[in-house]
Amino acid sequence: EDQVTQSPEALRLQEGESSSLNCSYTVSGLRGLFWYRQDPGKGPEFLFTLYSAGEEKEKERLKATLTKKESFLHITAPKPEDSATYLCAVLVPGTASKLTFGTGTRLQVTL
Amino acid sequence: DTGVSQNPRHKITKRGQNVTFRCDPISEHNRLYWYRQTLGQGPEFLTYFQNEAQLEKSRLLSDRFSAERPKGSFSTLEIQRTEQGDSAMYLCASSLEGYQPQHFGDGTRLSIL
Repeated sequence: EDQVTQSPEALRLQEGESSSLNCSYTVSGLRGLFWYRQDPGKGPEFLFTLYSAGEEKEKERLKATLTKKESFLHITAPKPEDSATYLCAVLVPGTASKLTFGTGTRLQVTL
Repeated sequence: DTGVSQNPRHKITKRGQNVTFRCDPISEHNRLYWYRQTLGQGPEFLTYFQNEAQLEKSRLLSDRFSAERPKGSFSTLEIQRTEQGDSAMYLCASSLEGYQPQHFGDGTRLSIL
């Protein structure tokens, strides 16, 4: 069964303290890995898509990378407004378009 | 780009009642999805439409749940004879064809009394 595991479950950082979130997956024939940000009471907001091992994407303080078994979301010099839950999801073949999500990492950035 | 719109944002109902949610996707997107999310969990796939055709349904979607997408535009999700376990956030997403990212609305939060 396809599985997505995110770690840590929760992370507390001080402003400016860089760190990485992990998303490991057991999927045969990955068709895409997606990172989303979710604020309380809101729907997931799309951040990045990664399609093949070695690929990297960047946006402001965030950088996503992909290997054959896991993806990392690196947060450089975070600010309090980066506080949110970060979700990763995988798209697998044979399911048309079904995303399988991890349980997310709750990030809190304090002053 | 007005984004994916969902209505209502909140729904409170008594157990046993029927409820219906609406989703308006991004206009040029021909794919539409429904997910369910409970506290502390990631969204779980319920069903998927390409244009007006419902192409995939999860085992989570019991026979009390029905979804439609008439004319391939907006979609509705109906839950009949609601149960306590139906309390959740119901999310709608839309996308273009291929392995394109899905864009989510802000969901409808359902509370069963």
